[in-house]
Amino acid sequence: EVQLVETGGGLIQPGGSLRVSCAASGFSVSSNYMSWVRQAPGKGLEWVSVIYSGGTTYDADSVKGRFTISRDNSKNTLYLQMNSLRAEDTAVYYCARGHSGSYLAFDIWGQGTMVTVSS
Amino acid sequence: EIVMTQSPATLSVSPGERATLSCRASQSVTSNLAWYQQKPGQAPRFLIYGASTRATGIPARFSGSGSGTEFTLTISSLQPEDFAVYYCQQYNNWPLTFGGGTKVEIK
Repeated sequence: EVQLVETGGGLIQPGGSLRVSCAASGFSVSSNYMSWVRQAPGKGLEWVSVIYSGGTTYDADSVKGRFTISRDNSKNTLYLQMNSLRAEDTAVYYCARGHSGSYLAFDIWGQGTMVTVSS
Repeated sequence: EIVMTQSPATLSVSPGERATLSCRASQSVTSNLAWYQQKPGQAPRFLIYGASTRATGIPARFSGSGSGTEFTLTISSLQPEDFAVYYCQQYNNWPLTFGGGTKVEIK
């Protein structure tokens, strides 16, 4: 079964760091475009970062220089390292797979992991 | 950044009726437009890509149209499970951007 499972969310103080993970099954993260998308409580969807199959990455301006997307091919897992966290980073973080026909539309989503930045 | 504007914010429709949702881009995204459905407490579900191509397993009552800056998602006959929030997303330019969503509620 094709599936994504996020872990690692939690409560973190402003200025702190956190790494969330996304374990894939049924397909290879290294062969697909993989993204992180977040959703603040009661709000809409916001794209955060993408890693191409070739390793190139792009980030939204709101997280540039603070967040880093990466993957471990041996573990078939995607990561998002989040540093210098701010209250406005509070959101459910979803990992999502790029659709094979469109690459940057998202056909498979995880269930999400909640990150709360608060003192 | 391309701004995606969805209208209306809320659409009240009776089961069995037709729903028409709009999405407008601040500049052309050609046909690089996707639609998603999201229910409370769930992840988004992929519905449409390329503005008009249904994703695998999506019922034929969902259809997408448009190109350039104006797009439409039509649900031909609303079923109880279709009441949800719908988002459009452009993937023509960086950064990838989503619309603010249209909530389809039971009338």
